[in-house]
This record gives sequence, C-alpha cells and structure tokens, in this order.
Amino acid sequence: QVRLVESGGGTVQPGTSLRLSCAASGFSFSDIGLHWVRQAPGKGLEWVAVILFDGSEKYYADSVKGRFTISRDNSKSTLYLQMHSLRAEDTAVYYCAKEMAGYSSGRFSPYCDYWGQGTLVTVSS
Amino acid sequence: QSVLTQPPSASGSPGQSVTISCTGTSSDVGGYKYVSWYQQHPGKAPKLIICEVSKRPSGVPDRFSGSKSGNTASLTVSGLQAEDEADYYCSAYAGNNNVVFGGGTTLTVL
Repeated sequence: QVRLVESGGGTVQPGTSLRLSCAASGFSFSDIGLHWVRQAPGKGLEWVAVILFDGSEKYYADSVKGRFTISRDNSKSTLYLQMHSLRAEDTAVYYCAKEMAGYSSGRFSPYCDYWGQGTLVTVSS
Repeated sequence: QSVLTQPPSASGSPGQSVTISCTGTSSDVGGYKYVSWYQQHPGKAPKLIICEVSKRPSGVPDRFSGSKSGNTASLTVSGLQAEDEADYYCSAYAGNNNVVFGGGTTLTVL
C-alpha cells in the first residue's frame, strides 16, 4: 500500500536552515508528482510546493518562494524540502503528499490522495 | 488569512444533512473545475473526499457530495454520522501553478 514517511523536523532558530525528507513506497514513485503542504499549530492547511514526476518543474507558494527548494531523488523514492532563512511563521507540521494520478490542472494534479503523517518544524529563539 | 473563505463551524444531528460553503473568486474556485475537499480528524493527516468539484475518490461514501456555483463551492454531508465529526478544508487551483486552501470548517455532530 502507499506509504509516505516524513522526517527531519525539529526545533531551529530563526534564520537557520533545515531539510525535510519524505520516504515513499507502494507506488511508482518516478511517475507521480509530489506536494508539500503545511499546517501551523491549530491552524488550517497551506500549500507549500509541488514537483513534477521527473523533477523538471517545481512551483512554490509566494510565502516560501526564494527560501524553500523542493527536490526529489527518484532512485531513492525520496522527496525533499530544503528550507532556508526560517521564520517563526514557518512553524508547522509539514506533510508530503502524493498527487492524484489522472487529474491534471495542466502541469500537475492539484489533488493529494495520499499523505504522510507529518513532521513538526518549530522555529523559535 | 486563507484565500478561500469557509465558515469556522457547522453542526447537525445524526441522520441530518449539513452543507459547508467555500467562497473564492473568479481566479480560483470560479475559474477552474479543480476544486477539492479534505477531511481531517484530530491529530491525523487530511483525507481527500471530493475532487474536481463533485467526484468522490474510491472508498469515499456517497453521503459526501460536492457542487459549485460561480465562485462558491459546497460540500454536503448527508445522513450525518458520528464519525463525520472532523475539520473540513476546501482547496482550489488558483492558476499560475498555485494551489490555495480555505481556512477550514469544524463539523460537530450533535
């Protein structure tokens, strides 16, 4: 079955960097786009970024553009989110999610049909 | 502040129907067919329950239905059950390879 397992979260100081990983299994990883979505404590969901199946295109929310980089290693079935210049407002649970095949808005599917359990990132001094 | 506007709460008794709205603009909800809904129980990851405005992914009960009129999408839960008590989020493609979410609605089964 589809499994997504995030790791790499923790508590960091403002201005520092952190890299999240998401290990995937149970589906053809190299054929599927992947998203990062975050949720601040007690708040709603916020889309962060998406990467196409082959890593050729990446798109970001304005709130993280220029600071975060999404990438993937298809040989390792792993998705990454490199985060720089972290701010207090980046504090959230970060979920990786698999796009739903067969429903494209043009470049990727905006629907996430499987999600990981999330990893908590806390940015605090 | 979320791009899409949802009521913070909704409620209904078991067996009743409840509808949750999601209001956006012509640049997101009204501009594309790519509207979805997610259900999230406390401490759990979101679950996709509606895609492309009104389609149910495999395994989602037909008690859940979606629709859209202009810039407002709606999720209706019929025959409310205790297990439907959760947070519900709408989402929409907003053009320029961007996805937006609503602020979420907490559904209480009385």
